[in-house]
Amino acid sequence: NAGVTQTPKFQVLKTGQSMTLQCAQDMNHEYMSWYRQDPGMGLRLIHYSVGAGITDQGEVPNGYNVSRSTTEDFPLRLLSAAPSQTSVYFCASIGGRIRSGTEAFFGQGTRLTVV
Amino acid sequence: ELKVEQNPLFLSMQEGKNYTIYCNYSTTSDRLYWYRQDPGKSLESLFVLLSNGAVKQEGRLMASLDTKARLSTLHITAAVHDLSATYFCAVVTQGGSEKLVFGKGTKLTVNP
Repeated sequence: NAGVTQTPKFQVLKTGQSMTLQCAQDMNHEYMSWYRQDPGMGLRLIHYSVGAGITDQGEVPNGYNVSRSTTEDFPLRLLSAAPSQTSVYFCASIGGRIRSGTEAFFGQGTRLTVV
Repeated sequence: ELKVEQNPLFLSMQEGKNYTIYCNYSTTSDRLYWYRQDPGKSLESLFVLLSNGAVKQEGRLMASLDTKARLSTLHITAAVHDLSATYFCAVVTQGGSEKLVFGKGTKLTVNP
């Protein structure tokens, strides 16, 4: 049981490049989400999903795209990277209140630098 | 809109002392999390609080939840250097989407 696997750990992009951050969970969780962490800001929600095929925007969605074609995977796409997207990104997975596990599991994080 | 306020944001303590971190939130929620984060690392789950009056303890840390006051506390007893880290509270929004709203974190430094 690997939990939440997030790749890559580190990435440097040039302004205007695109890339995809991968997130996979093996706990059959319905709920997955992406957060970014910036100094002094805590973690802020980018996009979230309540199940395969269903996604919605969070607090800071601009410049990011998501899809959820399977329960396991929830990739985050940067369409045209900007220096303001330099941050640490975390993927999270939650089973939901009704399930026995209400724990929110986080991936190891991706440290992204846009130059 | 759910807002989460955590204080203090910075806390410098001496070993052996006690202190409390506070987490206030603005709208009704049925779940609150406490996490620890070490520099360059991911979030480590400390506690999940599910109901009013919930109290959980693990080692020198004790967390409680008062849903009526919309307040959770993380109490540190007889601090040791190994507790130095940043602590976050996160509150689940109502509505079934399992979105978390985080406080800005409390950076705790425990000095010998």
